[in-house]
Amino acid sequence: QVQLQESGPGLVKPSETLSLTCTVSGGSVSSGSYYWSWIRQPPGKGLEWIGYIYYSGSTNYNPSLKSRVTISVDTSKNQFSLKLRSVTAADTAVYYCARGSVDGDYDDYWGQGTLVTVSS
Amino acid sequence: QSALTQPASVSGSPGQSITISCTGTSSDVGSYNLVSWYQQHPGKAPKLMIYEVNKRPSGVSNRFSGSKSGNTASLTISGLQAEDEADYYCCSYAGSSPRVFGGGTKLTVL
Repeated sequence: QVQLQESGPGLVKPSETLSLTCTVSGGSVSSGSYYWSWIRQPPGKGLEWIGYIYYSGSTNYNPSLKSRVTISVDTSKNQFSLKLRSVTAADTAVYYCARGSVDGDYDDYWGQGTLVTVSS
Repeated sequence: QSALTQPASVSGSPGQSITISCTGTSSDVGSYNLVSWYQQHPGKAPKLMIYEVNKRPSGVSNRFSGSKSGNTASLTISGLQAEDEADYYCCSYAGSSPRVFGGGTKLTVL
């Protein structure tokens, strides 16, 4: 059974960088059949796709966030990470990591999510 | 990259059927059979219910079904049960801007 777990600070100051890591167990981030996604959900609002990374390091980002986002993968630790720069209060959200199918473009396993609040 | 359009809310009584629509454009829903649907209960992570328009993952009840016509995809839930009360989100592949979600629909079981 694949499991994903987000980790990182729950509070980030405005203008700083939000950094989260997703640890994968029961599966490998090196699998060529999947990509590894970040999705967020502001309190009381809908889901927003942030981006994903393939094991090779190839990435794809939401155009609205592209200038501030970096997703990376560490195959040796079976982890992938999210960095979001220059955050504002609008970046306050629950951040989810997920496993996506390359063929069907859907996310079949999700982490439980972690709330990140941007506040001074 | 605009969000897909879903009704804000739908409701139905136990045993009834409901349908949630998801309207996109010819750049996303209309061009690809890569529409997925997610169920989210309060405080929980989304759960995949339908992928590739009409396929069900193992373990998902056959009361859930998906379809697509033109730029609009639909999720139908038959034989409504109390546990189906949740938020539902559609998602579509969108080519160069790969992923777009719908705004979400709150399903109330009366």
